[in-house]
Amino acid sequence: DIQMTQSPSILSASVGDRITITCRASHTVSSWLAWYQQKPGKAPKLLIYRASSFESGVPSRFSGNGSGTEFTLTISSLQPDDFATYYCQQYKSWTFGQGTKVEIK
Amino acid sequence: QVQLQESGPGLVEPSQILSLVCNVAGGSISSGGYNWNWIRQHPGKGLEWIGYIYHSGRTYYNPSLKSRVIMSVDTSKNQFSLKLTSLTAADTAVYYCARSSSTKGMDVWGQGTPVTVS
Repeated sequence: DIQMTQSPSILSASVGDRITITCRASHTVSSWLAWYQQKPGKAPKLLIYRASSFESGVPSRFSGNGSGTEFTLTISSLQPDDFATYYCQQYKSWTFGQGTKVEIK
Repeated sequence: QVQLQESGPGLVEPSQILSLVCNVAGGSISSGGYNWNWIRQHPGKGLEWIGYIYHSGRTYYNPSLKSRVIMSVDTSKNQFSLKLTSLTAADTAVYYCARSSSTKGMDVWGQGTPVTVS
């Protein structure tokens, strides 16, 4: 099994901040890594796939980077709509990270 | 635009079998190129992938749930299904269906259906 570990688990930030979430895989997943955003009571929404490719309609303030075992999701200027929980997922064998909740500072 | 919709009982008794269906609208399951997934989320917790089925019926399950999971596909109804056996309270969760591809991850999700085992 490939384990995915996200850090931090909770991130407190303000509107306009630049934030970065890290996701580490226990074994290489090449670039088979996606990022999702989930808001309370809603299904997750795909943001980034293949580590750095944007899903259609995703604002350009979101960016993904990395390959192998270490990946990052960066939001360049946090907007009110961005306060949510973010999950990484490797799709070699489909496991998710435990999530990072981005909350208002 | 493809849309997914889960349906099933909201309440199931322990030791029974959970049966959920995901209806696919706006696209054909038979068109190929996609896997059809089930994912669950325990209350206040993260996401757990349960498994997927291809339109041919080929399946791939999470090893931790494999002994209790059965997935099937009905291309004539454009839907796929999940059966989860030997239920316990630990299976209480919101269950989602989602479409995925090997290149893009899960790009279309249903709204989720809550299931309580009690």
